[in-house]
Amino acid sequence: DTGVSQDPRHKITKRGQNVTFRCDPISEHNRLYWYRQTLGQGPEFLTYFQNEAQLEKSRLLSDRFSAERPKGSFSTLEIQRTEQGDSAMYLCASSLDRVNEKLFFGSGTQLSVL
Amino acid sequence: QKEVEQNSGPLSVPEGAIASLNCTYSDRVSQSFFWYRQYSGKSPELIMSIYSNGDKEDGRFTAQLNKASQYVSLLIRDSQPSDSATYLCAVLRLTGGGNKLTFGTGTQLKVEL
Repeated sequence: DTGVSQDPRHKITKRGQNVTFRCDPISEHNRLYWYRQTLGQGPEFLTYFQNEAQLEKSRLLSDRFSAERPKGSFSTLEIQRTEQGDSAMYLCASSLDRVNEKLFFGSGTQLSVL
Repeated sequence: QKEVEQNSGPLSVPEGAIASLNCTYSDRVSQSFFWYRQYSGKSPELIMSIYSNGDKEDGRFTAQLNKASQYVSLLIRDSQPSDSATYLCAVLRLTGGGNKLTFGTGTQLKVEL
């Protein structure tokens, strides 16, 4: 499978715990995006990487959220001290470095904070 | 004003009919427009892209773009029950660091037998 891969598919955690998600983009894609989606809403942009550089972060990304892409390949998104409001689907997408390039999404990680 | 607006629906159409989904956007410098289909509990799947004014057809799908009116639409001909899903309109514009894709809230489509 050469699509965008996300792990885990589901995560249940207790409030206050830390969680980390992983995303493996399509191999030749050097752009990687994180989005968050709650029920009945469209995906909301969180952050974006060009290779290993994090170029943009949304105001939605509080200090409890951190994302990395250390070698320009896979990326991790960590949420510290989770809150119930963090419960959502976390989506990763990747694209080539071209104007108008299409984003392709992974299957997402569904986070439930109890 | 939201950057990308869609009617949340649900839009119900009978099997075999044409489904018409609409989207407006607020940022005039937006340059690329996409339609994603999302089944319940699944991630968005790209079905159409359009970059210039006019119509673009791909199988049973036609995307229409009118940049002067800041309006994008998706027509689905010969609607099938398997088309029942949420359709997300997405608008791409260049930011300081690269591209940013902004989504609408989606329109739920129900194709009835």
